[in-house]
Amino acid sequence: ETGVTQSPTHLIKTRGQQVTLRCSSQSGHNTVSWYQQALGQGPQFIFQYYREEENGRGNFPPRFSGLQFPNYSSELNVNALELDDSALYLCASSFRTTWDEQYFGPGTRLTVT
Amino acid sequence: AQRVTQPEKLLSVFKGAPVELKCNYSYSGSPELFWYVQYSRQRLQLLLRHISRESIKGFTADLNKGETSFHLKKPFAQEEDSAMYYCALSGIRGTSGSRLTFGEGTQLTVNP
Repeated sequence: ETGVTQSPTHLIKTRGQQVTLRCSSQSGHNTVSWYQQALGQGPQFIFQYYREEENGRGNFPPRFSGLQFPNYSSELNVNALELDDSALYLCASSFRTTWDEQYFGPGTRLTVT
Repeated sequence: AQRVTQPEKLLSVFKGAPVELKCNYSYSGSPELFWYVQYSRQRLQLLLRHISRESIKGFTADLNKGETSFHLKKPFAQEEDSAMYYCALSGIRGTSGSRLTFGEGTQLTVNP
């Protein structure tokens, strides 16, 4: 069984740039959720994808967007980066859309300068 | 709106002492509650969920709907319990998916 993987591990971008983060879900899982974790805070829900469609979104602006592919891997795209976007971005996969254990990846550390 | 509050950012106990990590929630329906743990240099992982009523690594948590609490307890803390603990809530099936609303976390340190 392969766990959730994320790439890259670390990333440094300049304000105004765009970034793409990637996530491979655990084998057999069809739901991927993305979370933003600022320093000293708990993870905050960005959005979730189920069978390639968005299945819920948190309180994040439209410049945060995502995709899920037929193999259930996923991307998180952030446009017009702001300094406050600096955070750890976590991806989690699960089999069903509700009440299932979510398996987290190691995260991508994004720094915006 | 869903909200999870963990009033203690830091908690320090001695090995063998009882430990209780507090969690209060705000939710209009019947929530699913979880405790997640992150050990040093490891990824976030599920410790326990209230619906399974299991004891994991000696930890238990009881959902108190009257007090809207889901405190995590262990009678005798071990040094390997030192970690960051997050309480989390999941909403009603079909409305918010399995999104998790996390508290800010409590860093537990168990001293020898």
